[in-house]
Amino acid sequence: QVQLVQSGAEVKKPGASVKISCKASGYTFTSYYIHWVRQAPGQGLEWLGMINPSSGSPSSAQRFQGRVTMTGDTSASTVDMELSGLESGDTATYYCATGYGYAEYWGQGTLVTVSS
Amino acid sequence: EIVMTQSPATLSVSPGETATLSCRASQSVRSNLAWYQQKPGQAPRLLIYGASTRPAIIPARFSGSGSGTDFTLTISSLQSEDFAVYYCQQYNSWPSLTFGGGTKVEIK
Repeated sequence: QVQLVQSGAEVKKPGASVKISCKASGYTFTSYYIHWVRQAPGQGLEWLGMINPSSGSPSSAQRFQGRVTMTGDTSASTVDMELSGLESGDTATYYCATGYGYAEYWGQGTLVTVSS
Repeated sequence: EIVMTQSPATLSVSPGETATLSCRASQSVRSNLAWYQQKPGQAPRLLIYGASTRPAIIPARFSGSGSGTDFTLTISSLQSEDFAVYYCQQYNSWPSLTFGGGTKVEIK
């Protein structure tokens, strides 16, 4: 069955960067995009960006351009997402998800806490 | 950026009744719309894509309709496990995607 397993919770100081990994299994890794979506505590869903694992080509939401970096490793069926310049407003649960324009399968989420 | 607006923010429904949720796009997204369900502490779950297509695992009481700018998610005969938050998401402006703010379906 399709599974996306994310790395564990992180606590970071303002200004730092965080890197979250997402390991896929149960399907052909290069067949579907990997999306990154976050959810601040008690808030809605926000799309950060996506990567095409086949080409390695990323695309990010305009508000995160310059701050988010996504890379894929086809040999390990893993995608990493790095968010830099962290602020308290980046405290959220970050999800990876796979699909095309919609996200059919989701990881379990990674809580990132930004605090001084 | 296409803005997705969901209404109402909260919907109070009794078990066994029908819930009707709305999602409006700031410009046409054709049928490139998905719906998700999210329960507390869980990742979202895909319910509908292509505005009206259900993945095989999703019960038939969930149905989606609409195209262009106005969309509806209907949940018939609400079960206890259906009380959750529901989000719409457009993917017409690929590769830029946007979610609506969500509708919470609560027990009346």
